[in-house]
Amino acid sequence: GDSVTQMEGPVTLSEEAFLTINCTYTATGYPSLFWYVQYPGEGLQLLLKATKADDKGSNKGFEATYRKETTSFHLEKGSVQVSDSAVYFCALSDQGTYKYIFGTGTRLKVLA
Amino acid sequence: EADIYQTPRYLVIGTGKKITLECSQTMGHDKMYWYQQDPGMELHLIHYSYGVNSTEKGDLSSESTVSRIRTEHFPLTLESARPSHTSQYLCASSPRGGHEKLFFGSGTQLSVL
Repeated sequence: GDSVTQMEGPVTLSEEAFLTINCTYTATGYPSLFWYVQYPGEGLQLLLKATKADDKGSNKGFEATYRKETTSFHLEKGSVQVSDSAVYFCALSDQGTYKYIFGTGTRLKVLA
Repeated sequence: EADIYQTPRYLVIGTGKKITLECSQTMGHDKMYWYQQDPGMELHLIHYSYGVNSTEKGDLSSESTVSRIRTEHFPLTLESARPSHTSQYLCASSPRGGHEKLFFGSGTQLSVL
């Protein structure tokens, strides 16, 4: 079945450092790919999405490119802030069932 | 932005009690989901619904039940709570069609003593 694998955390960075959180997937068909963010005590909210190969999703300085050849959707940000500290989830939507498959989440901590 | 509401936010109850976690959305979404989030953060789908009178069990076996009598309402019920049910429960919804984003509620943190 479909699956999502993302790098384990926690990831600890200094403010203004470069961020990469790796995400790879396996899927039949052509899923859409998502990054969600969860701040402490809250539900998840969509950070960005891409619906087809080579699409780049971007939001709030974060970006990720849908790479079909490497089945990857890595999240990047050039300069992180303390306010980016949260848990980040990579996810895909299954084309056949419309169910969503989530990775295990990566906790990011940014130090001032 | 999210118009999906969960109550209560926090609930502490004793073993054996019956509880219902409420979830409502005002967006007219057909699809609704319940996820259980463990302390390690991983999300597990326990129930979903594609419309009124449609409910399915998710990937994680759960002793809870759900109902979908109205489009906007998707409550989750535990007939007899146990300490193993202690977890964060997240409700989500999405519009009809594939590949749409999920809208999440703020969650209910349940503690069973």
